[in-house]
Amino acid sequence: GAVVSQHPSRVICKSGTSVKIECRSLDFQATTMFWYRQFPKQSLMLMATSNEGSKATYEQGVEKDKFLINHASLTLSTLTVTSAHPEDSSFYICSASVWEGTSVDTQYFGPGTRLTVL
Amino acid sequence: AQSVTQPDIHITVSEGASLELRCNYSYGATPYLFWYVQSPGQGLQLLLKYFSGDTLVQGIKGFEAEFKRSQSSFNLRKPSVHWSDAAEYFCAVGALKYSSASKIIFGSGTRLSIRP
Repeated sequence: GAVVSQHPSRVICKSGTSVKIECRSLDFQATTMFWYRQFPKQSLMLMATSNEGSKATYEQGVEKDKFLINHASLTLSTLTVTSAHPEDSSFYICSASVWEGTSVDTQYFGPGTRLTVL
Repeated sequence: AQSVTQPDIHITVSEGASLELRCNYSYGATPYLFWYVQSPGQGLQLLLKYFSGDTLVQGIKGFEAEFKRSQSSFNLRKPSVHWSDAAEYFCAVGALKYSSASKIIFGSGTRLSIRP
């Protein structure tokens, strides 16, 4: 399957600072990527849909000014958590949509980024 | 609105025994269904998916799932589990879209433990 990477794998930051997480499609181009958040022992919650060259679409309840998403190229989407606070501590996972010879896409997931805000 | 229910939070089976993980979905149109597996601290790996055709879908690692429209179910099965199958399993449903990305919703997950 397609490979998606995330960087960094884990990050610890102080409250009030901003953190950028990168999501890359390594062997394919992805016009659409997704960002999810996962709390311990819980499911994945979709935060936003990131489309290359256009503004991200955020899910209800997700603060777009807090979670800035940029999809500047067909292989890279970034999520910036601005002015992070301890309640933003979570596991952030991205995915990228791939069309594999069919007319429907499949999402492949990155390994995730563990964010801890002190 | 679409939703996914995984009624079993935690299942323990003996190594070599058969496995069935339950998944029920609610969706008004043609669903696009997935099973993903997540090892601790890792991202998700796609086991299999279904959107049309044969309702019995074969996936990786010896897993299969059967789509039953009348029961709104997409249960995951494996005839003989291995200790390495211990993980969290997520069922997911999306809107079947052609030529545009499908947004998917995840179930709450089922944690699988393997008894030696």
